Amino acid sequence: GIQVEQSPPDLILQEGANSTLRCNFSDSVNNLQWFHQNPWGQLINLFYIPSGTKQNGRLSATTVATERYSLLYISSSQTTDSGVYFCAVGHNTDKLIFGTGTRLQVFP
Amino acid sequence: GAVVSQHPSRVICKSGTSVKIECRSLDFQATTMFWYRQFPKKSLMLMATSNEGSKATYEQGVEKDKFLINHASLTLSTLTVTSAHPEDSSFYICSATAGTGGKTEAFFGQGTRLTVV
Repeated sequence: GIQVEQSPPDLILQEGANSTLRCNFSDSVNNLQWFHQNPWGQLINLFYIPSGTKQNGRLSATTVATERYSLLYISSSQTTDSGVYFCAVGHNTDKLIFGTGTRLQVFP
Repeated sequence: GAVVSQHPSRVICKSGTSVKIECRSLDFQATTMFWYRQFPKKSLMLMATSNEGSKATYEQGVEKDKFLINHASLTLSTLTVTSAHPEDSSFYICSATAGTGGKTEAFFGQGTRLTVV
């Protein structure tokens, strides 16, 4: 099956800093989503991005499907950005395989 | 986006008892829903695919007699943990997919934290 690796596993930032999270996947996909899991466990949809680039406020994402990776950019980070960020992928199925996650801590 | 509601959010049960978790798609119909399990500080692991009107499909290594799944309507799937043991304690999350025209986006419930004592 598809393997999904995320880096870095842990990230500690001061408020206001920018960061880039990476998601590598081992096979072709036609479904890729980024999620933020808050401290209560809720998964919040950030982007549906099987290819191309999207932006939503301080967040943006880019997927280069041919090279099997996706990037999530967080600019001007805030303490409320803390949590775990997951990418999840699928190929010709609604089933999603989750990546290993990046745990982000933003300090004031 | 679409809304998926999961209930209860937290449950504590005694060893040997069964616990039912509900997952509802509130504003759309879902012929397929998914159940995941998450251990502390780990990623989500897919347990099974819940199919409306037919049997669930379980991932390798998941005991179908332990984790009973029923998808009786287009908006409701249930996961029953039978004869629960402390090792079944975990965070369980459901999802449903919404969308048309080639875009199928998954939306997740709030999750259920199960503690077996």
